[in-house]
Amino acid sequence: DGGITQSPKYLFRKEGQNVTLSCEQNLNHDAMYWYRQDPGQGLRLIYYSQIVNDFQKGDIAEGYSVSREKKESFPLTVTSAQKNPTAFYLCASSYRDSPLGEEAFFGQGTRLTVV
Amino acid sequence: KQEVTQIPAALSVPEGENLVLNCSFTDSAIYNLQWFRQDPGKGLTSLLLIQSSQREQTSGRLNASLDKSSGRSTLYIAASQPGDSATYLCAVRRRGGGNKLTFGTGTQLKVEL
Repeated sequence: DGGITQSPKYLFRKEGQNVTLSCEQNLNHDAMYWYRQDPGQGLRLIYYSQIVNDFQKGDIAEGYSVSREKKESFPLTVTSAQKNPTAFYLCASSYRDSPLGEEAFFGQGTRLTVV
Repeated sequence: KQEVTQIPAALSVPEGENLVLNCSFTDSAIYNLQWFRQDPGKGLTSLLLIQSSQREQTSGRLNASLDKSSGRSTLYIAASQPGDSATYLCAVRRRGGGNKLTFGTGTQLKVEL
């Protein structure tokens, strides 16, 4: 079945640790995205990538890093520089930007909690 | 800067009622608008995608309309069922690169027996 797989579903981080969230897709999509969701707020874009080996900062990139070495994978690292990392993280993918814009598909999310 | 607002924030209706969820956006320069459903603790499921040149899209009991000039979209749910209970999010896709979405904060719907 085609889709987007995020792992783990739950993740606990100690203060000062870096943690990496996994996102894999088998939809043959060019573009991938990371969003953060907090209670009472809309989803906010952290990073996005249109093609392999290229990515751009979104609206709230500080304290996060990404890589895009393979088309299928777009891991997100939450670094110790992120002051308030507790949130629900969602990965999405779509075909590459076109004049019409493409439908985005989302994974099931990773809930990160700082302990 | 694009801002997306959804009203109401929460809605509770009896089963069988027809209902309308509202979404407004401040910048009409969009490629399209997408409606999503989110169940508690889950990811987003795409419901409908309306291109900027379209006025509406339908899927089963769902109908979404778009009035780009006034910056409004509505999601109409016919004959609501308890299984429709979820949070509904709208998102607009910006022009200017990146295929990026700007989301509203959602409407939390509860359909009661």
